Amino acid sequence: NAGVTQTPKFQVLKTGQSMTLQCAQDMNHNSMYWYRQDPGMGLRLIYYSASEGTTDKGEVPNGYNVSRLNKREFSLRLESAAPSQTSVYFCASSEQGAPNSPLHFGNGTRLTVT
Amino acid sequence: GNSVTQMEGPVTLSEEAFLTINCTYTATGYPSLFWYVQYPGEGLQLLLKATKADDKGSNKGFEATYRKETTSFHLEKGSVQVSDSAVYFCALTSTGTASKLTFGTGTRLQVTL
Repeated sequence: NAGVTQTPKFQVLKTGQSMTLQCAQDMNHNSMYWYRQDPGMGLRLIYYSASEGTTDKGEVPNGYNVSRLNKREFSLRLESAAPSQTSVYFCASSEQGAPNSPLHFGNGTRLTVT
Repeated sequence: GNSVTQMEGPVTLSEEAFLTINCTYTATGYPSLFWYVQYPGEGLQLLLKATKADDKGSNKGFEATYRKETTSFHLEKGSVQVSDSAVYFCALTSTGTASKLTFGTGTRLQVTL
């Protein structure tokens, strides 16, 4: 029972390079999320997908794009990486888009942009 | 908008000491409140939750009571263990925001023998 799986675990990019962070969940959850975690700032929502086929901006969407490929997979793309995007990225999923549904998190991707 | 304020860390305690981590919030509507825990190298896990005023969430010896009058959701444990060393995040959702959580900045707890 893998839960939420993120790849890669670590990545180093040069400024201007692009990459896609992958996320897959095997819990048949409807909703998926991308957060970034920065020291002293907690977790901030980048994008979310309330259900398959829909995506919406969160608190800090600039510089990112997402794709909800199917019910299981939700990818995050950096088209032109910047040092300000150095962070730890977490994917999460929840059973339904309701306030009481707990989020299940992956183990994170640590991204460094030089 | 919604916001969550947590006490600054790190918090360092000896094993078997009493733990309190303060959390206060600002929200529209009627928020649900959560504590998540992050162990080293892992993602966040739900620790406990409370969905309405005066509810008490509890799990693994941890407790927190939803206090609407003081807009607080302080985390407590009577006797901490070394294995409780982690980062603890207070979070909320409010009416209409589905499961989009607003997190506090996190409080690192270090428990020593």
